Amino acid sequence: DTAVSQTPKYLVTQMGNDKSIKCEQNLGHDTMYWYKQDSKKFLKIMFSYNNKELIINETVPNRFSPKSPDKAHLNLHINSLELGDSAVYFCASSQTTGDHGRQPQHFGDGTRLSIL
Amino acid sequence: GENVEQHPSTLSVQEGDSAVIKCTYSDSASNYFPWYKQELGKRPQLIIDIRSNVGEKKDQRIAVTLNKTAKHFSLHITETQPEDSAVYFCAERRTYKYIFGTGTRLKVLA
Repeated sequence: DTAVSQTPKYLVTQMGNDKSIKCEQNLGHDTMYWYKQDSKKFLKIMFSYNNKELIINETVPNRFSPKSPDKAHLNLHINSLELGDSAVYFCASSQTTGDHGRQPQHFGDGTRLSIL
Repeated sequence: GENVEQHPSTLSVQEGDSAVIKCTYSDSASNYFPWYKQELGKRPQLIIDIRSNVGEKKDQRIAVTLNKTAKHFSLHITETQPEDSAVYFCAERRTYKYIFGTGTRLKVLA
């Protein structure tokens, strides 16, 4: 009954490859997010989608391309992987409408990406 | 600015003592302030939150206070236990965006 599930959990790949991470939420939330957590544990927002529409794109290289086929799914495709892309990527979701959006985010278990 | 200042970055306390973590935000329009606990190798999990129209909230050993005038909010953990050891993140909610603090690594020494 995982609320926010992302796959894969671990991803080890060579520099220059292209990879995708998938995320699904079954909470009925209208907004989904991708975060990058580096080795210093800082959680940095990358993208946010509200009802399949991109609303936040935080100075992320265009090698990163999110895609939201419906409001329950937000996938992340990364082209030409670089060493600096090594990190844990977290998907999250929240409900933005109602109560002025004052609702918590729910996080997936993370995808640990290691670039060789 | 885009940052939430969070202090201290590391905190060690003896079991049974209290721990306090403080955050400062910059956007007066922010209306919601959650706190997350992240254990090693796990996802961040909500432990307590406070809305902008409330000054204090308590849940058993955990409490959060909010000072809107000073744009400060704090997490208070009383009677700390070894299982409280983790990284704690504060966050502020702006429209469609949650800005996280830089995290506090709490160690509770048995």
